[in-house]
Amino acid sequence: NAGVMQNPRHLVRRRGQEARLRCSPMKGHSHVYWYRQLPEEGLKFMVYLQKENIIDESGMPKERFSAEFPKEGPSILRIQQVVRGDSAAYFCASSPGQGNGYTFGSGTRLTVV
Amino acid sequence: ILNVEQSPQSLHVQEGDSTNFTCSFPSSNFYALHWYRWETAKSPEALFVMTLNGDEKKKGRISATLNTKEGYSYLYIKGSQPEDSATYLCACRYNQGGKLIFGQGTELSVKP
Repeated sequence: NAGVMQNPRHLVRRRGQEARLRCSPMKGHSHVYWYRQLPEEGLKFMVYLQKENIIDESGMPKERFSAEFPKEGPSILRIQQVVRGDSAAYFCASSPGQGNGYTFGSGTRLTVV
Repeated sequence: ILNVEQSPQSLHVQEGDSTNFTCSFPSSNFYALHWYRWETAKSPEALFVMTLNGDEKKKGRISATLNTKEGYSYLYIKGSQPEDSATYLCACRYNQGGKLIFGQGTELSVKP
């Protein structure tokens, strides 16, 4: 069981480019959560998805950020027109159902130059 | 806005010392509390899930207690070892909703 796989581990983007972060949940897990860790801060909730549905996106910035979890394939967190303030570690976690504990991925560290 | 607070922010102890730290949370509509251990350059690893007032959980030298009425949980480490050095995260879930709300963590450093 490969666990939660995130890629890439490190991503460098110039201001104005798009960043696409991928997360493959653990086998058998249909719930995916994205969190962001800004420098010197804790894990902040962004979005919660279940296959093909967004359940809670209360932590997502209103502009430039979007997330999807298609029927086939990984969950994608997409950041359009990145700015320096988007530089952070983005963590994905998955669970088999609502109310269960999470299994985390190793994160994607995004640097915007 | 629901706020989960952890204290202290960081802790430095000697090998063999026992230590504890606190997680405080709003108790209204509380559903569950999770403790995670997060080593540098790795992903957070689940330690405990606690739901009931008075719950106590133990894993080796690490144990945790939960008071849902007053809104706090303690994590205890008995006889700290250098390999216990990590950030310990507390997270709460409300109303059976899926998302966990994390505290800032307590960074523990154990010196040999």
